[in-house]
Amino acid sequence: SAVISQKPSRDICQRGTSLTIQCQVDSQVTMMFWYRQQPGQSLTLIATANQGSEATYESGFVIDKFPISRPNLTFSTLTVSNMSPEDSSIYLCSATGTGANLRTDTQYFGPGTRLTVL
Amino acid sequence: GENVEQHPSTLSVQEGDSAVIKCTYSDSASNYFPWYKQELGKGPQLIIDIRSNVGEKKDQRIAVTLNKTAKHFSLHITETQPEDSAVYFCAAGRRSGAGSYQLTFGKGTKLSVIP
Repeated sequence: SAVISQKPSRDICQRGTSLTIQCQVDSQVTMMFWYRQQPGQSLTLIATANQGSEATYESGFVIDKFPISRPNLTFSTLTVSNMSPEDSSIYLCSATGTGANLRTDTQYFGPGTRLTVL
Repeated sequence: GENVEQHPSTLSVQEGDSAVIKCTYSDSASNYFPWYKQELGKGPQLIIDIRSNVGEKKDQRIAVTLNKTAKHFSLHITETQPEDSAVYFCAAGRRSGAGSYQLTFGKGTKLSVIP
């Protein structure tokens, strides 16, 4: 099956700085998503990363805070901007396949990026 | 929007016993129900899923049941083993673009299997 990787796996950042998280899939996918998982909590969808167009954000998340890129069918980035301690979370990307290596009808997750903001 | 309730939040069982996790959902338009297992330090891994046109699905020691009328679904793990210890998430999905499903997750159940 296809592999979804994320970089960095973890980071400790200072308040007011920004961090860009990368998500790479080793085969083409249709949909890519970004989630936030606060410590001991469930997964909350931040946005759908659309290839070649602006991401679609969920209620409570805005582009200025979480800019997203998706330049091609295998790669996406999420930036957490102007960070505060409340942004400390695990950030997860997921993808839906084309039917070759990943199914088209469900989501597969990367390993996550553990972010701590001081 | 969709709301998914998951119970219990923690569950401890003796090795070899069965474990049951229950979820309810609110949106009657949801028609896809996956279960994910998340081990410490890893991303969620799909373990089984079911669609609304099916009442039960089984894969070795894992089974899922769905009662669409009552809007609840359950995960059953039989003959539990220590490696089953993890956090389990249920989710409810409805179809979005490109054939995928937008998922709403429950809060998770931390399962501990005691050797």
